Amino acid sequence: AQSVSQHNHHVILSEAASLELGCNYSYGGTVNLFWYVQYPGQHLQLLLKYFSGDPLVKGIKGFEAEFIKSKFSFNLRKPSVQWSDTAEYFCAVNALGNNRLAFGKGNQVVVIP
Amino acid sequence: GAVVSQHPSRVICKSGTSVKIECRSLDFQATTMFWYRQFPKQSLMLMATSNEGSKATYEQGVEKDKFLINHASLTLSTLTVTSAHPEDSSFYICSARDNEGFETQYFGPGTRLLVL
Repeated sequence: AQSVSQHNHHVILSEAASLELGCNYSYGGTVNLFWYVQYPGQHLQLLLKYFSGDPLVKGIKGFEAEFIKSKFSFNLRKPSVQWSDTAEYFCAVNALGNNRLAFGKGNQVVVIP
Repeated sequence: GAVVSQHPSRVICKSGTSVKIECRSLDFQATTMFWYRQFPKQSLMLMATSNEGSKATYEQGVEKDKFLINHASLTLSTLTVTSAHPEDSSFYICSARDNEGFETQYFGPGTRLLVL
């Protein structure tokens, strides 16, 4: 079964700083990769996803993620964060053809204005 | 975008009673829906996969007689917590996989259950 690791559960940074959240998964086969965001009091929303093709994926709100197959990683980045990016971010993985999503424990990101 | 709703958003019940939570895909059809449980400051734990017209598939350790799932149509799945106990208090989240959306899951807003 696949598992997902996210480090640095709590991240605090100032507006305009750059953000990078790490995501590593353990599964040897082909995977689909996702980043979801949960704003305070709201439900999970899809930020971006990777299925195939260009390993650099651009999502909504200026976020991007890069799939590095050799490192089993799918790190999320944003060059300049805003206060409104304060949220919890979850990385998720499912094996190709398998419905079941495995989630990481999430990163709680707080952006200080 | 794809919208998933849940009802109720929060519920308080007495120990021993049963609670039904609805999950609806509002603008797409979903043969497959998922039920998750989220504990404070923890990730989502998949409880079961709900399949339209067939039995749900439960994850290891999840009691199927305790958490009854019915997926009677392409837009509705229900989770019934039977004979609820305080330890069942949690945040229950559903997601729906768009039949046309190539394995992307869309999440509902969650239901906060408190069992007294």
